[in-house]
Amino acid sequence: EVQLVQSGAEVKKPGATVKISCKVSGYTFTDYYIHWVQQAPGKGLEWMGLVDPEDDETTYAEKFQGRVTITADTSTDTAYMEVSSLRSEDTAMFYCATGFRNFDSWGQGTLVTVSS
Amino acid sequence: QSALTQPASVSGSPGQSITISCIGTSNDVGGYSLVSWYQQHPGKAPKLMIYEDSKRPSGVSNRFSGSKSGNTASLTISGLQAEDEADYYCCSYASSRSWVFGGGTKLTVL
Repeated sequence: EVQLVQSGAEVKKPGATVKISCKVSGYTFTDYYIHWVQQAPGKGLEWMGLVDPEDDETTYAEKFQGRVTITADTSTDTAYMEVSSLRSEDTAMFYCATGFRNFDSWGQGTLVTVSS
Repeated sequence: QSALTQPASVSGSPGQSITISCIGTSNDVGGYSLVSWYQQHPGKAPKLMIYEDSKRPSGVSNRFSGSKSGNTASLTISGLQAEDEADYYCCSYASSRSWVFGGGTKLTVL
């Protein structure tokens, strides 16, 4: 069974950096991209970017280019998503997801709250 | 990329059928057979309901079907049930290893 388990909720101050993890099991980590999706409170899903664990290549949505870094660690089958220079508008649920050309499997989500 | 366009809300009575549209461009929806649909209940992670425009994952009810014509994809739910009440999102591959979601549609079962 494919499982994606994310790290726990975070509370950060404006200007700080947050790094969320997504540990996968149940399939070969390097077979599929790991995607990250943001969902602000009461809002829709927004694709942020992906990492290809096979070669560490990344792609980011234009909105997230520059402040977001997505990485993968094949030694632990874990993907990471880091957001720097946090602002209140970054308060959101963040999901990791994987699959072949779609998002078959999802993590449980990690809530990041940015507040002074 | 711009988000795909979905109606904000749709509603239907139990047993009826509803259709949710998802309008994109030739650079996403119309350019690839890679539209997928996701169901999200409050406080839950999204769940894949349709992939590659019209394919249904194992375990998903055959009451859910997907189709596409040009730059518009559609999700149809037949025989509406109370448990279908949720938010629904379309998503499309948009070239160069990027994806784009629709704004989401809230389905209310009356």
